[in-house]
Amino acid sequence: EPEVTQTPSHQVTQMGQEVILRCVPISNHLYFYWYRQILGQKVEFLVSFYNNEISEKSEIFDDQFSVERPDGSNFTLKIRSTKLEDSAMYFCASRSYTGGGTEAFFGQGTRLTVV
Amino acid sequence: SQKIEQNSEALNIQEGKTATLTCNYTNYSPAYLQWYRQDPGRGPVFLLLIRENEKEKRKERLKVTFDTTLKQSLFHITASQPADSATYLCALDEDNTDKLIFGTGTRLQVFP
Repeated sequence: EPEVTQTPSHQVTQMGQEVILRCVPISNHLYFYWYRQILGQKVEFLVSFYNNEISEKSEIFDDQFSVERPDGSNFTLKIRSTKLEDSAMYFCASRSYTGGGTEAFFGQGTRLTVV
Repeated sequence: SQKIEQNSEALNIQEGKTATLTCNYTNYSPAYLQWYRQDPGRGPVFLLLIRENEKEKRKERLKVTFDTTLKQSLFHITASQPADSATYLCALDEDNTDKLIFGTGTRLQVFP
């Protein structure tokens, strides 16, 4: 069964460092997402990406964040200068399309710890 | 402001009983509503989708209702089993956006 894969599963970084979280969405999907989940809290939408550009983003997704689809298979989330409060589980998701309502497939997440 | 609220308290029920979880939303007009299961440390896994013009949807032991007047969805698990213990998330899908917005989640514990 096709699946979304994320690497690394766990990343520890020092405050102020840049991190890149990587995702390989399902190959024929068109819509890609990043979500964040702080420990014990809800799954929060960060950004959606379609046709090689950001289609929507939340207030959390400020100038410190960026996304890219560098090679047609990978989808990355970059945090330029990490803060302690960026520590969370980051989930990548993909959908085949959004019109008509479709399920989102999630990866297993990257646990980011900022120290 | 926009809100999607689920029972914040954990729901504890005995094996074999029906679990009913609630999702209420404010200031959204979802065309679709989805339910996901999340196990600790894992990503959400899709369970069911219901459209705004559908009142009820079933899949095996799962049933979802959607009342756009009350702005509420109910999620039922019949004949619950300890393996059903997890956090259940509702998610709203509005017609004019690409994003899926999640509720706060309800933790279900089924004990033998």
